[in-house]
Amino acid sequence: ILNVEQSPQSLHVQEGDSTNFTCSFPSSNFYALHWYRWETAKSPEALFVMTLNGDEKKKGRISATLNTKEGYSYLYIKGSQPEDSATYLCALSEGTYKYIFGTGTRLKVLA
Amino acid sequence: GAVVSQHPSWVICKSGTSVKIECRSLDFQATTMFWYRQFPKQSLMLMATSNEGSKATYEQGVEKDKFLINHASLTLSTLTVTSAHPEDSSFYICSAGAGGSDTQYFGPGTRLTVL
Repeated sequence: ILNVEQSPQSLHVQEGDSTNFTCSFPSSNFYALHWYRWETAKSPEALFVMTLNGDEKKKGRISATLNTKEGYSYLYIKGSQPEDSATYLCALSEGTYKYIFGTGTRLKVLA
Repeated sequence: GAVVSQHPSWVICKSGTSVKIECRSLDFQATTMFWYRQFPKQSLMLMATSNEGSKATYEQGVEKDKFLINHASLTLSTLTVTSAHPEDSSFYICSAGAGGSDTQYFGPGTRLTVL
C-alpha cells in the first residue's frame, strides 16, 4: 500500500516570497502523481498531473517537478500572493483513477 | 469545464436518521464517481468507487450497508448514510472521472454532523 506524505503540514509566508513544499512516497510503482489546490469551501482544483521521472510542469507562478527514483515531488510558488493561500494536496494514482492522498500542506500568504 | 457539484454543503442530523448526499457532474458525463471521507487532520480516504449502472466497489473497512451508493445516471451519484451515528460525523467529498484521463474532478464536499 502506498503511503504519501506531505511536508510541511502548514506554513506562513509573506507576500512576494517564493516557497516550496514536498510530496514524498516510498515507491515508483504508480501511474501518475497529481497536485491539487484546495481553497476553503471550494472544490479541489487540479493543478498538475505528472507521470515520468524528471517531469516538470508549470502554470503561471506555480511549477512542479517529479523524481520517481528518489520518491518525491516538489511544488514551487514564485512570488506568493494572498490568493495562493490554500491547502495543496498531492495524490498518487495507481491507474484506473484510484488515488491515494497525502494530508496536504496548508499555505497562508500574509499581505 | 469539468464542474462537479455536491449537495448539501453541510447537514446536521439526529442519531439514527439517514442522510443523502448528491454528487452531480454538471458539464460532462461521468461513468465513474468516487466518494471520499476526511476526518480532522487526516487525508482524504477513498470509501467507494461507483460506476454508472452497476454496484459500487467499497474499500476495505467501509460498510456497504451503512453507506449506500447509487449511480443511476452518467451525471448523478448519491451517498446515503443510513442510521447515522456521531462517529459518522465527517467531511464527505465526491469526485468524477471525465474519461480519457486519469484526473478526478471534485465537488466542494459535505460536512455531516450527527448529534
